[in-house]
Amino acid sequence: IAGITQAPTSQILAAGRRMTLRCTQDMRHNAMYWYRQDLGLGLRLIHYSNTAGTTGKGEVPDGYSVSRANTDDFPLTLASAVPSQTSVYFCASSDSIGSSNEQFFGPGTRLTVL
Amino acid sequence: GQNIDQPTEMTATEGAIVQINCTYQTSGFNGLFWYQQHAGEAPTFLSYNVLDGLEEKGRFSSFLSRSKGYSYLLLKELQMKDSASYLCAGADSNYQLIWGAGTKLIIKP
Repeated sequence: IAGITQAPTSQILAAGRRMTLRCTQDMRHNAMYWYRQDLGLGLRLIHYSNTAGTTGKGEVPDGYSVSRANTDDFPLTLASAVPSQTSVYFCASSDSIGSSNEQFFGPGTRLTVL
Repeated sequence: GQNIDQPTEMTATEGAIVQINCTYQTSGFNGLFWYQQHAGEAPTFLSYNVLDGLEEKGRFSSFLSRSKGYSYLLLKELQMKDSASYLCAGADSNYQLIWGAGTKLIIKP
């Protein structure tokens, strides 16, 4: 693995189903993030984690949950998917949450909820 | 509220220079980032400014004026591969990034 990987690449999901998007990084970064990207809007932060064992809510956390059991993995779960959660989801990581720490992004998961 | 404004789309000619502007309002300020995103791909880091002035990095330069809440990204000697969206993001007092919707740059031969 080099950098950040996400799975699946894309998914079509029926409304009401549960779905977990996976994210793994091998850079030993402390901070990890989940964003959604919708046409005409900027990236919006869903949840973040400063370090393993801690998580925090971003701008649009409703309907999503995360866990950070270890440094490398940061899964995002949709408990009961709704069509408004149709989006491209990006996982990112940085060395820490701090001023000049650039974020590295995974390739994204394109999710369609019908 | 927090807000990042940048033009939706710009067109430029191969070999020319283009300037992409960004104005920001954040709760506190811990720097301004520029990212590049090719269609269907992930954003990749271009630059970071926290002090006023110009930072040059090869063909790309980024400028910041904190008093004006303004930044720009300058791309010189444009190449076709520079066709992409350019995302401006401000870091707020909690170091969370507030993102603009991106500027789609179209390069014509």
